[in-house]
This record gives sequence, C-alpha cells and structure tokens, in this order.
Amino acid sequence: DIQMTQSPSSLSASVGDRVTFTCRASQSISTSLNWYQQKPGKAPKVLIYDASTLQSGVPSRFSGSGSGTDFSLTISSLQPEDFATYYCQYTYKTPLTFGQGTKVEIK
Amino acid sequence: EGHLLESGGSLVQPGGSLRLSCAASEFTFSNYAMSWVRQAPGKGLEWVSSIGGTGGDTYYADSVKGRFTISRDNSMNTLYLQLNNLGAEDTAVYYCAKDLFPFNGRFDAFDIWGQGTMVTVSS
Repeated sequence: DIQMTQSPSSLSASVGDRVTFTCRASQSISTSLNWYQQKPGKAPKVLIYDASTLQSGVPSRFSGSGSGTDFSLTISSLQPEDFATYYCQYTYKTPLTFGQGTKVEIK
Repeated sequence: EGHLLESGGSLVQPGGSLRLSCAASEFTFSNYAMSWVRQAPGKGLEWVSSIGGTGGDTYYADSVKGRFTISRDNSMNTLYLQLNNLGAEDTAVYYCAKDLFPFNGRFDAFDIWGQGTMVTVSS
C-alpha cells in the first residue's frame, strides 16, 4: 500500500505570507495526488487535483506541483480564511490514502 | 453541483451494528464512484471504503474489511455503509464523498462531501 507523509505537521504564519508544505508518497504515484482544506467542524474541500489542477472556484493563490513521490501545496499570500488543516490524498487505486495533515495556524 | 446528506450515526455499544445512509441529489448518482471517509475526534482523515458506479466493485480499508459493507441503490440515489462488530476505534465522524469525474475504473478527488454523521462506540 502507498503511504503519504506530510510535513510539517503544523506551521505558524502571518497574513500575507507565502507558505509551502509538502507531501511525499512511499512510491511513485505519477500525479495522482489531491489537496484538501478542512476547517474545524466542517467537511474537507478539494483545492487541487491531479497534483496541479486548481478545482473550480478555488482562489488562484493556491497552487500545487510535483510528480512521482514529492508534491507541494503553496499559498502565495495567506489570507485569514486560509487558517485550516490541509491534507494530501492519493487517488487512483485503493487504498485511497490521506496524509496526516498540516495545520496552518496564525502567528 | 450536487449535494450529499448522511444519516444513521448514533451511540452504539461495542460489538453492535449500525447502517449509515447518504442521500445524493443534483447529480447523476449512478455515473460516479462513491466513498466513505471517517475522522476520529481530533484526528486526521481516514479512507474507509469505495464503490464503483454500478455497485459491482467494492473496496475497503484493511481496518474495516470483513466488518463493514458498502452498497448503493442507484434507483434511490443512496449510498450505504453497514457497520458490524463495532469497536471503540470506529468512533468517528463518517463522511460520504463523490468522485470528481464519472467512474472509469480509477478513483479521483472527492469534490462533494456530506456534512458527516457521528458514530460513537461506547458502553
């Protein structure tokens, strides 16, 4: 089974900062990687699919990159509504594994 | 765009059973693979199970294999998850989720999620 490892587990940042966090797959997954944002008490929301395709309606300050085993999500200018937990997920064949999450907190 | 609404979560004793339902609307339900994802209190997301559009292909996480059964009724636009032999480790919010693209043998990102239903396993 493919394992997904996110880093860091949490980070503190300020509004306007550029932030990047990473997700590593235990074996090559091409670009079968998605990113979700989850706020407390809410269902996750897809931001990026296929490693770098922005989901409809998601602000352009979010971007994804990577292929193979190493992936990243970048927020170009952090906004107050972006403080949340972010998860990567492998999807193609089951098990559809999630990373353990990166929590973005206000500095 | 689509909407999902889960129901059926409750407090159940260890060893007990429960059936969760997920009612879908505003999209062609039978065209899409569907999945269940759970989140234990204060923990991350865990994929539980998925099912293809026709219901003939079902997949499970090792942690629930043999205890949980996913199914769907395309005539009722409803997804189900039967949970048997429940343990404390199954306590979580259970979300149903829809694949982004029509099912073609592979799975995609989950673009629509329900609000979740809470399952608590405790004596």
